[in-house]
Amino acid sequence: SQTIHQWPATLVQPVGSPLSLECTVEGTSNPNLYWYRQAAGRGLQLLFYSVGIGQISSEVPQNLSASRPQDRQFILSSKKLLLSDSGFYLCAWRRGTKNIQYFGAGTRLSVL
Amino acid sequence: AQSVSQHNHHVILSEAASLELGCNYSYGGTVNLFWYVQYPGQHLQLLLKYFSGDPLVKGIKGFEAEFIKSKFSFNLRKPSVQWSDTAEYFCAVNGDGGFKTIFGAGTRLFVKA
Repeated sequence: SQTIHQWPATLVQPVGSPLSLECTVEGTSNPNLYWYRQAAGRGLQLLFYSVGIGQISSEVPQNLSASRPQDRQFILSSKKLLLSDSGFYLCAWRRGTKNIQYFGAGTRLSVL
Repeated sequence: AQSVSQHNHHVILSEAASLELGCNYSYGGTVNLFWYVQYPGQHLQLLLKYFSGDPLVKGIKGFEAEFIKSKFSFNLRKPSVQWSDTAEYFCAVNGDGGFKTIFGAGTRLFVKA
């Protein structure tokens, strides 16, 4: 069966520090991968998606970037965090042509 | 562009009350529609989905949703809620089988025992 791992679960970082959140999927190959940010009252905002290694589509101009160095690894990064980057970040994967998404447990990021 | 609007951000019900959460989407082509649920402390997970066929779809835990194409709606219903239905519910749309799934703002449901 497939599983998705996200870490860390919580993170507190100072303004201006770098960020690296990692997401890995097990039990499947060539998944579509997604990063979302969940903010109260705003639902899930799609940040990035990837259809293959090295292929990244950005949905919202922002202080964040994403990379996919391996087939089942998706990384969310920032060189310098802003206060506004605080939020709950969710990674998800989608298998093939089926449009159902499977979510990780999320990372709660607090930028102070 | 695709968009999803959920009508209620917060809903409070007593046990055994009926539930209907509104969802409207904006997209001109073929759509796949979803309701996801996030129970306290748990992963966001699929509640039910519509791809094609019967516009009335049934999901887990007695939930159902009806796709009304003319109204661009996909409302979620449950005849009698339970305390364990307390959660946040998200409507989502995927247009033409593309890579992107767009989510609504979510509805927080609190069911009083």
